[in-house]
Amino acid sequence: GEDVEQSLFLSVREGDSSVINCTYTDSSSTYLYWYKQEPGAGLQLLTYIFSNMDMKQDQRLTVLLNKKDKHLSLRIADTQTGDSAIYFCAGGYQKVTFGTGTKLQVIP
Amino acid sequence: NAGVTQTPKFRILKIGQSMTLQCAQDMNHNYMYWYRQDPGMGLKLIYYSVGAGITDKGEVPNGYNVSRSTTEDFPLRLELAAPSQTSVYFCASSYVRDPTEAFFGQGTRLTVV
Repeated sequence: GEDVEQSLFLSVREGDSSVINCTYTDSSSTYLYWYKQEPGAGLQLLTYIFSNMDMKQDQRLTVLLNKKDKHLSLRIADTQTGDSAIYFCAGGYQKVTFGTGTKLQVIP
Repeated sequence: NAGVTQTPKFRILKIGQSMTLQCAQDMNHNYMYWYRQDPGMGLKLIYYSVGAGITDKGEVPNGYNVSRSTTEDFPLRLELAAPSQTSVYFCASSYVRDPTEAFFGQGTRLTVV
């Protein structure tokens, strides 16, 4: 099965870029995902990347995938206070395994 | 379309009591999951189900039981509550396909005292 690891905490200033990193073990995952959890709520899918891609851009979000190193990152450009949340990377085929989550704190 | 509905939202249990956390989805999803999220920690999979009548253990199944008699419902049972089960519980569901988007309920905050 998949084992997914993330750093626990990231603090950035409003307007700066945030980069959240993730490493995974199972290279058979067809897709890799980023979920966002706002305070007091469940997780919501933010974006995903097909495992044959290196990069995916979606407005302020850029996902980078390094398959050789099994490293996934999420870059948020022009980080806003509304981006403060916990971000989970996830992977796996059909049954998805979630990482530990990175708490992003945006300082005004 | 309600998505994934969990009840109750909050509950306080005494040690040794039992309770059932309810989860229902109206999206006709095959897969359903129960996770627990401890403070400052990620999600740990308790049980999951790939369809009605089929359930399987996740990472942390001890102290819990599940059943899946219908596609829509996936209740989680705590038989003898222990303080270690104090956590936030999330139910989720998904289609069996790629990409797999998991839809989450709002969570049940359980405290065992």
